[in-house]
Amino acid sequence: AQKITQTQPGMFVQEKEAVTLDCTYDTSDQSYGLFWYKQPSSGEMIFLIYQGSYDEQNATEGRYSLNFQKARKSANLVISASQLGDSAMYFCAMREGRGFQKLVFGTGTRLLVSP
Amino acid sequence: GAVVSQHPSRVICKSGTSVKIECRSLDFQATTMFWYRQFPKQSLMLMATSNEGSKATYEQGVEKDKFLINHASLTLSTLTVTSAHPEDSSFYICSARAPNGGISGNTIYFGEGSWLTVV
Repeated sequence: AQKITQTQPGMFVQEKEAVTLDCTYDTSDQSYGLFWYKQPSSGEMIFLIYQGSYDEQNATEGRYSLNFQKARKSANLVISASQLGDSAMYFCAMREGRGFQKLVFGTGTRLLVSP
Repeated sequence: GAVVSQHPSRVICKSGTSVKIECRSLDFQATTMFWYRQFPKQSLMLMATSNEGSKATYEQGVEKDKFLINHASLTLSTLTVTSAHPEDSSFYICSARAPNGGISGNTIYFGEGSWLTVV
């Protein structure tokens, strides 16, 4: 069964607009963590934001925020005020359990920001 | 901040030869490192968990004898692709957890990745 699902293979947004990238997950663990990474064409994985399953507040990091809806098992990434440099692949990932840092990744969403 | 470095960033090798990729944690000790593989336009797939001083744990479907992992020190894990073939051409990337307590996103660091092309 797919543990992380990203249903949007590609998204387009205009510069300065906000965009939401979808991510749903499947786990039976009570303790888990959700991550978003940005991967530019160079290949490096850039950490954006993290949400723990017990975190009561939605995570925010600058222009990035995570819309965490635990009951719906969704962890959507919201990028506000998009910039041209935001064009990249975006991956949602999940860590299950505590202490073990193995990540399961979704299939990714390619974001293209236009001027 | 903590950095994980991979070398080489790009390598081309002939079919049938072996190639080694290094993953180093530069300013922290990593008892556990992870190796992922990413085919073009696909997601990252975990290959194995590298444990310092013990054998690596491989994911289902990953050939242990083909992808040799050695985690000989707390700052270095190596992935050797033995008898490489064109189908092994891929992007290989490692990650490590910094042992600074807590389980937050900032404690998982990725290397820059290594592009392997087998001709």
